[in-house]
Amino acid sequence: GESVGLHLPTLSVQEGDNSIINCAYSNSASDYFIWYKQESGKGPQFIIDIRSNMDKRQGQRVTVLLNKTVKHLSLQIAATQPGDSAVYFCAENWGRAGGTSYGKLTFGQGTILTVHP
Amino acid sequence: DTEVTQTPKHLVMGMTNKKSLKCEQHMGHRAMYWYKQKAKKPPELMFVYSYEKLSINESVPSRFSPECPNSSLLNLHLHALQPEDSALYLCASSQEWRQGAKAFFGQGTRLTVV
Repeated sequence: GESVGLHLPTLSVQEGDNSIINCAYSNSASDYFIWYKQESGKGPQFIIDIRSNMDKRQGQRVTVLLNKTVKHLSLQIAATQPGDSAVYFCAENWGRAGGTSYGKLTFGQGTILTVHP
Repeated sequence: DTEVTQTPKHLVMGMTNKKSLKCEQHMGHRAMYWYKQKAKKPPELMFVYSYEKLSINESVPSRFSPECPNSSLLNLHLHALQPEDSALYLCASSQEWRQGAKAFFGQGTRLTVV
């Protein structure tokens, strides 16, 4: 079936480096994407979202890039800090009204980001 | 305020017990969700409520019974659970149940079934 997945399950960086977390999706009907950060023992925390009519969106220290041609999504974190250490999930929200997938949020497998001081 | 509050944070229950998980939001959101997350796995959708009506049940066993008493509250009633039901149960809400709805999650209830 169609799914959202990640290229790298783990990423280890030094404090101050820039981090790039990748996500591949296979559903060409995908219209909306969200990146979540989940720290140990906590719920997913919304970071940034992007719609399919955009290819880039910036937040505070984070940038999401969307390449619909190759169905690829990435999250860039600038000047990574130890507090950024967490599992990062991309999530896909898609579906036609009345369809069985309408409004559903489907998560990728997640990437563990470890930031070393 | 983008807070979704879940209680309790931790719960240990026997297989014959009946317990309930609670979720509350005061953002005026009209869609609320229950997700289940096993260790080292992504969250998986269980139920969707839209305007206090159950809209999606992802073939969840009947030992899990959701309830939406009003637009701010969502409960998950548990009965006769199995050890494999041990997981982090996450509640989320969004403004509406629709494509492109930004969902906010609570901190979860860590459930252990013994």
